[in-house]
Amino acid sequence: DTGVSQNPRHKITKRGQNVTFRCDPISEHNRLYWYRQTLGQGPEFLTYFQNEAQLEKSRLLSDRFSAERPKGSFSTLEIQRTEQGDSAMYLCASSLVGSPLHFGNGTRLTVT
Amino acid sequence: RKEVEQDPGPFNVPEGATVAFNCTYSNSASQSFFWYRQDCRKEPKLLMSVYSSGNEDGRFTAQLNRASQYISLLIRDSKLSDSATYLCVVDLAGAAGNKLTFGGGTRVLVKP
Repeated sequence: DTGVSQNPRHKITKRGQNVTFRCDPISEHNRLYWYRQTLGQGPEFLTYFQNEAQLEKSRLLSDRFSAERPKGSFSTLEIQRTEQGDSAMYLCASSLVGSPLHFGNGTRLTVT
Repeated sequence: RKEVEQDPGPFNVPEGATVAFNCTYSNSASQSFFWYRQDCRKEPKLLMSVYSSGNEDGRFTAQLNRASQYISLLIRDSKLSDSATYLCVVDLAGAAGNKLTFGGGTRVLVKP
């Protein structure tokens, strides 16, 4: 399967802990996006990369969130000092410029 | 005003009927437009791209109205399996490039 892969599928953590998610995009795709989605809402843009360069980060994102794509391939999203409001589905997608997004299955985060 | 807006619905549609809904966007420089379908607790899946001249894929027709800055999706001969949330995606051209931004989704319920 050469689709977008996200790990883990589910993560339960206690408030205040740090969590890290991984996304492996489709190999030839140069763009990688992170979105967050809560129930009943559309996916909310967090950040995106073109190759290893982070082009934009949402103003809604606090300093507790950081994303990297060190070699222009896989990406990680870290949330420090998690809060209950961080509970959501975190979606990763990859694409070529101007082309549709291909999504992974997402990582569902629950902060207790 | 949100950058990409959709009527959340739900649109209750009798099986076999036609349903149509729109998605408005704020950036007149946007170039790429897509419709995605999302089933409950699943990742979004590409339904179709939207081309300037309008395009059709089976029972689905997408249109772009640049003057009024909206795209539309029409579903003919609705099937029970068409019940889902339909998300529009628009590139919002910015200084760093074009980030792909979702609307909040339109929920469609097809009933026998």
